[in-house]
Amino acid sequence: EVQLVESGGGLVQPGGSLRLSCAASGFTFSSYSMNWVRQAPGKGLEWVSYIGSSGDNTIYYADSVRGRFTISRDNAKNSLFLQMNSLRAEDTAVYYCAKGEGFCRGGSCYIWFDSWGQGTLVTVSS
Amino acid sequence: EIVMTQSPATLSVSPGERATLSCRASQSVSSNLAWYQRKPGQAPRLLIYGASTRATGIPARFSGSGSGTEFTLTISSLQSEDFAVYYCQQYNNWPPYTFGQGTKLEIK
Repeated sequence: EVQLVESGGGLVQPGGSLRLSCAASGFTFSSYSMNWVRQAPGKGLEWVSYIGSSGDNTIYYADSVRGRFTISRDNAKNSLFLQMNSLRAEDTAVYYCAKGEGFCRGGSCYIWFDSWGQGTLVTVSS
Repeated sequence: EIVMTQSPATLSVSPGERATLSCRASQSVSSNLAWYQRKPGQAPRLLIYGASTRATGIPARFSGSGSGTEFTLTISSLQSEDFAVYYCQQYNNWPPYTFGQGTKLEIK
């Protein structure tokens, strides 16, 4: 059974930093792309960042976090990370890690999110 | 960026009845659309991908249809556990992945 467990959330002041972790089990972690998705209070889901599978160095960020957040993975430890710097009040949200699933065809890849963690809450406030 | 618009924002339906949720894309996403269910305190759950393919373990009462810019999620006979918020997501043109704002399905 696929399991994704996030950790590292908490209360941080504006301008501060946090590092989120996602521990994966139940699948060959290195073979799959991974994502971070967030949900602010009372809002919908917002994609934050993508990292490709092992051997694929592709990384993408949402415009709202580019230059402040860094996604990374440690395939030996089956772990996904999100380093969040220069945090703002609008970054307050539950952050989910999500496993990618899909296919590539004609030079494009079509990837949806087939498993999600329970989330970790990040609160940015003074 | 492709904008996804869901309607209605809230849908009130009685248990046992059919629920129909809509999702519209600002430009064609072919059939590269997924639906997710979100319950309070739980992880989002994949229901449908490829616009109409049920994910593993999803009951047959959930069905998806559509292509291009217009999509529908239908729940044929609502069970108590189906009352939740539902999101559509396009994965045809990314980044960024984009989600609709959600439809809250509540008990009538």
